[in-house]
Amino acid sequence: DTAVSQTPKYLVTQMGNDKSIKCEQNLGHDTMYWYKQDSKKFLKIMFSYNNKELIINETVPNRFSPKSPDKAHLNLHINSLELGDSAVYFCASSQAEGGELFFGEGSRLTVL
Amino acid sequence: AQSVAQPEDQVNVAEGNPLTVKCTYSVSGNPYLFWYVQYPNRGLQFLLKYITGDNLVKGSYGFEAEFNKSQTSFHLKKPSALVSDSALYFCAPLDMGRRALTFGSGTRLQVQP
Repeated sequence: DTAVSQTPKYLVTQMGNDKSIKCEQNLGHDTMYWYKQDSKKFLKIMFSYNNKELIINETVPNRFSPKSPDKAHLNLHINSLELGDSAVYFCASSQAEGGELFFGEGSRLTVL
Repeated sequence: AQSVAQPEDQVNVAEGNPLTVKCTYSVSGNPYLFWYVQYPNRGLQFLLKYITGDNLVKGSYGFEAEFNKSQTSFHLKKPSALVSDSALYFCAPLDMGRRALTFGSGTRLQVQP
């Protein structure tokens, strides 16, 4: 069983479209995160949720909206996609805030 | 503010030789430090962490890291490199204020046969 799973793994779309990436963890963890990895492999945190409550909201355009329907799921919705949104988006979870992270396999978003 | 520096974009080493991937950090308070590895087209995997205690921390796949408070370093080491160790390695201090790990751009390790 995959501990942290993300879908889709690949996403190619046009500028201006809206898309979502889903994430689910079956580890029973309380905290979930979204990280963005750019083309230079720099990994930066975007959001974190603890038990469905938003904890971290970095300086991210408000076109990005995370949603946590329950503590096992954290989805990322992106409106009006731009070329600069092209990146690999990683979902992660941890037992508690600041704990060891378990990452998903990533979702590679390409905006044309 | 928390920060991490991995001064080498890439480290090349021959199989069987020891390897070191360098990391220096800047944190307020006592540091909690992590190492992660990323294989091509995969998510990051936990290798080891330092919270407190012995300065030499042992982790997965034969890796270890030495915490040096005076030099604010947490270098990753392995006595004998394998070709399969070739990957991207990230050092990540815990940002106590945000309760989240701070990553950089990592160091690419290339082990030649």
